[in-house]
Amino acid sequence: QQQVKQSPQSLIVQKGGISIINCAYENTAFDYFPWYQQFPGKGPALLIAIRPDVSEKKEGRFTISFNKSAKQFSLHIMDSQPGDSATYFCAGRKNSGGYQKVTFGTGTKLQVIP
Amino acid sequence: SQTIHQWPATLVQPVGSPLSLECTVEGTSNPNLYWYRQAAGRGLQLLFYSVGIGQISSEVPQNLSASRPQDRQFILSSKKLLLSDSGFYLCAWSVQGLAGGRADTQYFGPGTRLTVL
Repeated sequence: QQQVKQSPQSLIVQKGGISIINCAYENTAFDYFPWYQQFPGKGPALLIAIRPDVSEKKEGRFTISFNKSAKQFSLHIMDSQPGDSATYFCAGRKNSGGYQKVTFGTGTKLQVIP
Repeated sequence: SQTIHQWPATLVQPVGSPLSLECTVEGTSNPNLYWYRQAAGRGLQLLFYSVGIGQISSEVPQNLSASRPQDRQFILSSKKLLLSDSGFYLCAWSVQGLAGGRADTQYFGPGTRLTVL
């Protein structure tokens, strides 16, 4: 059962535009929602994260919007740059008996064109 | 600061050969450790996790095994590789017992690209 649904699968945005990636989750036991950025051939790197008691978190050009009642959250990349071209994964985390159980979305491949 | 290493970076192995991938973490003690596999263009599948030396839990039945001989060392192994074992293998760590801030999630290594021919 896929517990974090991510869309779109791929996205092409003009330089300077806004990139928006959406995620929906099913497991209400998730208590932390990180976003990861992955460049080809590299491991995913933590980009930004949010707790479910917060509706929005902003770090530089990256903003997470969180709707707890709808069980949805999204990543907005303002003023998108070619260097932002990467695959982005949303995730939901649950503490489970001393370790973190993280469920990942299937990823969105973002291409920012000049 | 904490650093996570994986080696080798790339590996090409014939079907039926053994496998050993290594992961080490620096700058932290008693971390939780994780092995993930990422198929081409796909998401991340958790294979194993460990909360301490010698403590291994498997998420999915498969041809692979894991071991944790030291606090900050995590090894992924196979006795006989299958074609379906090809993929990008990622090791990750997280802090135990803390809440709040960026300690609340997992941090990934650079990965090992495994091709089984």
